[in-house]
Amino acid sequence: ETGVTQSPTHLIKTRGQQVTLRCSSQSGHNTVSWYQQALGQGPQFIFQYYREEENGRGNFPPRFSGLQFPNYSSELNVNALELDDSALYLCASSSQGRVNSPLHFGNGTRLTVT
Amino acid sequence: AQSVSQHNHHVILSEAASLELGCNYSYGGTVNLFWYVQYPGQHLQLLLKYFSGDPLVKGIKGFEAEFIKSKFSFNLRKPSVQWSDTAEYFCAVNAPGGGADGLTFGKGTHLIIQP
Repeated sequence: ETGVTQSPTHLIKTRGQQVTLRCSSQSGHNTVSWYQQALGQGPQFIFQYYREEENGRGNFPPRFSGLQFPNYSSELNVNALELDDSALYLCASSSQGRVNSPLHFGNGTRLTVT
Repeated sequence: AQSVSQHNHHVILSEAASLELGCNYSYGGTVNLFWYVQYPGQHLQLLLKYFSGDPLVKGIKGFEAEFIKSKFSFNLRKPSVQWSDTAEYFCAVNAPGGGADGLTFGKGTHLIIQP
C-alpha cells in the first residue's frame, strides 16, 4: 500500500512569488485535505477536496487555492507569498468524503518565504 | 468554532513511568476526537479515535484515551512508557456531518522519555 507522498520536501521562495505544492494520495483514497503547520503549532486546516471539488475550507484567504485531479492527487497553490506563509504544509488523504474518516498524512513540504 | 487545548507543551518522563496528557476542547455539540502522534522524522499518524460508544478507547502501542463529555476532555494515557514513545502528540477534534470542516488540532505536547 503506497502512502501519501508530497513534493518537494523543501522549498524557498521570495515574498510576492507564487508556489505550487503537490500531493499523491494513498491508494484507495478519494479525499485530500491540506494543513498548514507553523513552528510550534498544531496543523491548521486549509481546505479539503472530494471528487475534484473543494468541499470544506478553513480560515485561509483566497490566495490559497487548490486542485484535485481524476487520479485523486492534489495541488496546493499559494499566490502573493507572505513571510507568515513560512510553514510545513501537510497533505492528508482519506477514503470517504466525510469528516470522520481518519486521515493519513504525508511527510509535508517545508516552505520558507524570505 | 471549535478549539483544542493541550495543557502540557513539554513532558519529560523516565521509562516505565505512567503517562497522562491532557486535552480539552470547546464545542457544544457532538464531536469526533482523535490523538495523532508524530515520531521523530516521521509523518503524523493516528494513535486512536473516538466517534461514539464506549468512552474508553484503546489505540496502538498500548495507548488509551477516555472521553469525559461533562469535562469536554479526551486525555491520553499509557500505564508504562518506553523510550520509543518519544514523540510529538496532538489532540484533534471535528464535528461530524454538516460539511468537511477538517480537524482542529491542539498545539501539541512534546514527550521525551529518558532511558
